[in-house]
Amino acid sequence: QLRLQESGPGLVKPSETLALTCTVSGGSISTSGNYWGWIRQPPGKGLECIGTVYYQGVTYYNPSLKSRVTISLDTSNNQFSLNLRSVTAADTAVYYCATLTRGEYGPIDSWGQGSLVTVSS
Amino acid sequence: DIQMTQSPSSLSASVGDRVTITCRASQSISGYINWYQQKPGKAPKLLIFYSSALESGVPSRFSGSGSGTDFTLTISSVQPEDFATYYCQQSYKTTYTFGRGTKVDIK
Repeated sequence: QLRLQESGPGLVKPSETLALTCTVSGGSISTSGNYWGWIRQPPGKGLECIGTVYYQGVTYYNPSLKSRVTISLDTSNNQFSLNLRSVTAADTAVYYCATLTRGEYGPIDSWGQGSLVTVSS
Repeated sequence: DIQMTQSPSSLSASVGDRVTITCRASQSISGYINWYQQKPGKAPKLLIFYSSALESGVPSRFSGSGSGTDFTLTISSVQPEDFATYYCQQSYKTTYTFGRGTKVDIK
């Protein structure tokens, strides 16, 4: 059973970069066919997929965030990361890391517990 | 981008009621729709994938149907632990867009 855990600062200043890491246990992020991704949820609102990275390193980003986002794998530490640049208050949200183990057309089948990131000076 | 229109945004139900939530995609997504349940302060939990496949461990009172653009999540007899917010999500394209959610609360 895969377990995912987000880590990173809970407070980020406007215009700075939000950086989060997801540590994976119970399996390898190099497992063939798996996708790894980030989803966020502003307080009291719905879910938005930020992007995903395939186990081989190919990335897919939400077009509305693409210019500010980088998602990458760290196979040596069994982690993947999110960088979101030039943040504003609108980026305040709970950020979830997650995985799709049933391929590109599959569901999001494992989630981290979520990490609240507040953008404020 | 594929838009997912979910309705209703909220509903009230009594224990034992049959509950139906619908989701309409802005274009055909074949059967690539998934349904999640989220309780306050928790991550979403997968209930149904590929429109009608029940995730392991999910009670059989949950069911899903539909193809193309119109989809339905049904709870055949709502139980106290089912009061939560439900989201649909398309996995036809890698934007993986979600519906806005349906909050099911106690009447």
